[in-house]
Amino acid sequence: GQNIDQPTEMTATEGAIVQINCTYQTSGFNGLFWYQQHAGEAPTFLSYNVLDGLEEKGRFSSFLSRSKGYSYLLLKELQMKDSASYLCAVRDSNYQLIWGAGTKLIIKP
Amino acid sequence: ETGVTQTPRHLVMGMTNKKSLKCEQHLGHNAMYWYKQSAKKPLELMFVYSLEERVENNSVPSRFSPECPNSSHLFLHLHTLQPEDSALYLCASSQEPTGGRADTQYFGPGTRLTVL
Repeated sequence: GQNIDQPTEMTATEGAIVQINCTYQTSGFNGLFWYQQHAGEAPTFLSYNVLDGLEEKGRFSSFLSRSKGYSYLLLKELQMKDSASYLCAVRDSNYQLIWGAGTKLIIKP
Repeated sequence: ETGVTQTPRHLVMGMTNKKSLKCEQHLGHNAMYWYKQSAKKPLELMFVYSLEERVENNSVPSRFSPECPNSSHLFLHLHTLQPEDSALYLCASSQEPTGGRADTQYFGPGTRLTVL
């Protein structure tokens, strides 16, 4: 079966750095997405990786290793507004998105 | 309005009611999606429409009936639902239903559905 694993919940301190991991086992790979979802709101697109390596976008970076079936989202200089759930999703060989259950990130002052 | 909008934002219905959820996208996209989101579970894809034709139906019970009259509008008709159908129903759209970065999905804020 296809599976996406990410931690259920993480806690970090304002101003610090946090890394949210995502491991996947899917039938094929056609890209990996990270989304942010604040409580009661729509998931919003953060990043897309299809080749190995690091993609940087401001305070957020996303890394991919296809050989290891592994990605992480790195958030720097954490702010209180970064408290949200972070969803990892992989597009499989049928171009269907397989979703993780999300990681709830709690930022403390 | 911009992006993807959904109405209503909240809905409470009895098991014998009939209601409809509406989604509208203002992004000029060709594909639209319905997802179910339950607490602490992955998003579940329900239906996919590409150029107004249904291309995906992931074994969804017949009490959920989608309708896509044009590429900007998507409906989900609900009838004789069960309490376990209570969830957040999200609509999304993308430029294409397959392929690279252009297939990034953009979501609406969802309808919080409670079935009594």
